[in-house]
Amino acid sequence: AQSVAQPEDQVNVAEGNPLTVKCTYSVSGNPYLFWYVQYPNRGLQFLLKYITGDNLVKGSYGFEAEFNKSQTSFHLKKPSALVSDSALYFCAVRADSGGYQKVTFGTGTKLQVIP
Amino acid sequence: GAGVSQSPSNKVTEKGKDVELRCDPISGHTALYWYRQSLGQGLEFLIYFQGNSAPDKSGLPSDRFSAERTGGSVSTLTIQRTQQEDSAVYLCASSLVRGAGAQETQYFGPGTRLLVL
Repeated sequence: AQSVAQPEDQVNVAEGNPLTVKCTYSVSGNPYLFWYVQYPNRGLQFLLKYITGDNLVKGSYGFEAEFNKSQTSFHLKKPSALVSDSALYFCAVRADSGGYQKVTFGTGTKLQVIP
Repeated sequence: GAGVSQSPSNKVTEKGKDVELRCDPISGHTALYWYRQSLGQGLEFLIYFQGNSAPDKSGLPSDRFSAERTGGSVSTLTIQRTQQEDSAVYLCASSLVRGAGAQETQYFGPGTRLLVL
């Protein structure tokens, strides 16, 4: 069975500082990995995904994520945090295997950017 | 183009009553998911429809929960004999799945906020 772990319920970072939101996964075979963001009182939005190719994936709003196969991680990063980045972030995984597979979400990490 | 829509946006019901939540996916999307998000909690997978395949119901918390998807499009999530612990936001998502190598970005609806009194 596939799974996703987001070990931090909440991450606090000062505005302008770099941020990292951690995600590790477990899946049989190669993974498809996703990050979604949920701003307060708004729906979930796709942020970025890793399918294949370069391990560093760039997404919306200046976010990027690095796929590390040996560590089975897909941490979300941003060089300089903005107050407007404060939101709930979800990591998700799907196995790259034959047939149709559902996507499994992590429990979410609340990012608080402090002015 | 139109995104995923859900109705109603809010639903207040009394304990023991049945409720139906509706999801209209993006036209042409073959995969449809239902999730539940309790206050301050993560996404809890409920059920997954993919084309004409049998749905994955492994996330449904009890037999009071059921869902159907008619004509491969609109889906209805039904909760019978609602309980207070059913109070949550119910999210629907759809995606376009092209075969086994699909890049399955999900598009989420705004959710239905259910309150069981």
